[in-house]
Amino acid sequence: AQKVTQAQTEISVVEKEDVTLDCVYETRDTTYYLFWYKQPPSGELVFLIRRNSFDEQNEISGRYSWNFQKSTSSFNFTITASQVVDSAVYFCALTLTGTASKLTFGTGTRLQVTL
Amino acid sequence: DAGVTQSPTHLIKTRGQQVTLRCSPKSGHDTVSWYQQALGQGPQFIFQYYEEEERQRGNFPDRFSGHQFPNYSSELNVNALLLGDSALYLCASSLVGQGNEQYFGPGTRLTVT
Repeated sequence: AQKVTQAQTEISVVEKEDVTLDCVYETRDTTYYLFWYKQPPSGELVFLIRRNSFDEQNEISGRYSWNFQKSTSSFNFTITASQVVDSAVYFCALTLTGTASKLTFGTGTRLQVTL
Repeated sequence: DAGVTQSPTHLIKTRGQQVTLRCSPKSGHDTVSWYQQALGQGPQFIFQYYEEEERQRGNFPDRFSGHQFPNYSSELNVNALLLGDSALYLCASSLVGQGNEQYFGPGTRLTVT
């Protein structure tokens, strides 16, 4: 069985601060995908990134960056120079490769960015 | 390019009643998955439909059933509603062979009283 742990329940930062959201996963499979989703107050889950287990390259997209380390089973997400619009709940998720595979989510981290 | 749509947005039902939620997948997608998200929790997988058949199921009782139509849209049915069924129900669509990338709809908020 797969498991995703997001130990940080809630994080509060002041605008322009950098913030890192932690994600630790468990799976016995060697091939899998990792995801990050953003859930604003409206409720819709917004896809941010997918990472293949074979690709440990870090990725940067604007103010967002992701650090994938198989050795520690972690897939952390950093927001640089946070903004109020970044306030949301962020979920890390895992799915096995294959045509029929569910997403296993963590419990989410609520990020509050204030002025 | 239309995204995933769900209806209704909100729903209030009484214990013991039955409810049907609907989902239209993103254009070009052929697979629909349903998730239940209780307040303050992460989404939990209910089941997935592909080619009009249930392909995978999570740990949910038989009161939860679904259907997929030839146009790939899907319904989630819940019978004999319990107070604990109150949650946000999310539909996600994907395309087979596209790295399990699932796109979510806005959800249906179900309240059982």
